[in-house]
Amino acid sequence: QVQLQQSGPGLVKPSQTLSLTCAISGDSVSSNSAAWNWIRQSPSRGLEFLGRTYYRSKWYNEYAASVKSRISIMPDTSKNQFSLQLNSVTPEDTALYHCARDLAYFDNWGQGILVTVSS
Amino acid sequence: QSALTQPRSVSGSPGQSVTISCTGTSSDVGGYNYVSWYQHHPGIAPKVMIYAVSKRPSGVPDRFSGSKSGNTASLTISGLQAEDEADYYCCSHAGIYGWVFGGGTKLTVL
Repeated sequence: QVQLQQSGPGLVKPSQTLSLTCAISGDSVSSNSAAWNWIRQSPSRGLEFLGRTYYRSKWYNEYAASVKSRISIMPDTSKNQFSLQLNSVTPEDTALYHCARDLAYFDNWGQGILVTVSS
Repeated sequence: QSALTQPRSVSGSPGQSVTISCTGTSSDVGGYNYVSWYQHHPGIAPKVMIYAVSKRPSGVPDRFSGSKSGNTASLTISGLQAEDEADYYCCSHAGIYGWVFGGGTKLTVL
């Protein structure tokens, strides 16, 4: 049974970096069939895909065009987890952040962390 | 990469059928057979109802069905039940941009 456990701060100041981690149990971040995603949800924008990382003989990353210039998603094979860094945040980045596994559809989600961007 | 277009809301009476549309472009919905639909209740992680355009995961009632024509995908719920009331999101593969979601549709069971 796959479980995703998220961790990270719930409050970030404007212009700083949002950093979250998603620890995986029951699967491997290096799986050749799964991909590991970050998705956020807000009342104004609904569900929004941010990016994903996956391994198919080498590592790949794909990022949404809306955040491509300021996002980084990194796998950590030693801890079987992956992380999100979103730079230069603004109040518009306030949202509930989820990590999720995809097997060409999202079948497992983390518990979600509400991140507020405020001074 | 813009969000896929869904109606803001749909409604139907118990026992009726409703269809939710999801319109994209040839770079997402029209270009790939990787369209999925999610049911979302507040406070709970979204649940996949349809994947690969028309496949149902085990445990999802066969009242839920999916289809695609050109750049538009559709989710049909037949025999509406009160428990179907929720927000529904479509999602499509979007090439180098990974995935793109629709804006979400609020289903009200009258």
